[in-house]
Amino acid sequence: GENVEQHPSTLSVQEGDSAVIKCTYSDSASNYFPWYKQELGKRPQLIIDIRSNVGEKKDQRIAVTLNKTAKHFSLHITETQPEDSAVYFCAAKGGAGSYQLTFGKGTKLSVIP
Amino acid sequence: NAGVTQTPKFQVLKTGQSMTLQCAQDMNHEYMSWYRQDPGMGLRLIHYSVGAGITDQGEVPNGYNVSRSTTEDFPLRLLSAAPSQTSVYFCASSYPGNTEAFFGQGTRLTVV
Repeated sequence: GENVEQHPSTLSVQEGDSAVIKCTYSDSASNYFPWYKQELGKRPQLIIDIRSNVGEKKDQRIAVTLNKTAKHFSLHITETQPEDSAVYFCAAKGGAGSYQLTFGKGTKLSVIP
Repeated sequence: NAGVTQTPKFQVLKTGQSMTLQCAQDMNHEYMSWYRQDPGMGLRLIHYSVGAGITDQGEVPNGYNVSRSTTEDFPLRLLSAAPSQTSVYFCASSYPGNTEAFFGQGTRLTVV
């Protein structure tokens, strides 16, 4: 089955700096890669996703890049703010006929004011 | 729209007890799933369903049962609770294909 590795497990940045979280996946048939943000005690919520026919996607201060050849994708957060502090999960969904999302183990991001 | 609703939010069980975690969604989503979240382990898939009457095992199915008699509901049953099942449980639902999964608010289960 699919295996998703996520790094780093913890990340501390100064407010205003950029943060980058990286994930690799094992199944070359995977074609959907969402990122979820989970604040303390809350449910995971989708912040951005990318499909395999796209190399990069941006939404204001967040962006995701995908390298299908290397089977890795990354989340970039620019101009970080204290409210960006949370746990971020990457995930991958397999190819046609697959319904399962496989998650990475998460990255705890702390933005220091 | 309530989205995905889980009950209860908190539960304490004694070893060997059984219970059912409830999950309901009002978005007419075909796909529903149960995850458990443990520190440092991310979200691990327990069971999933692609429609009423259809269920399948995920990564960590042992000790859990599910059924899907309606599109809206997907209960998770713990047959004989064990301390290793202490965790936070999330239900999620989505449309088929590459679409957003919506999560419930979670159930924090402690087995003593």
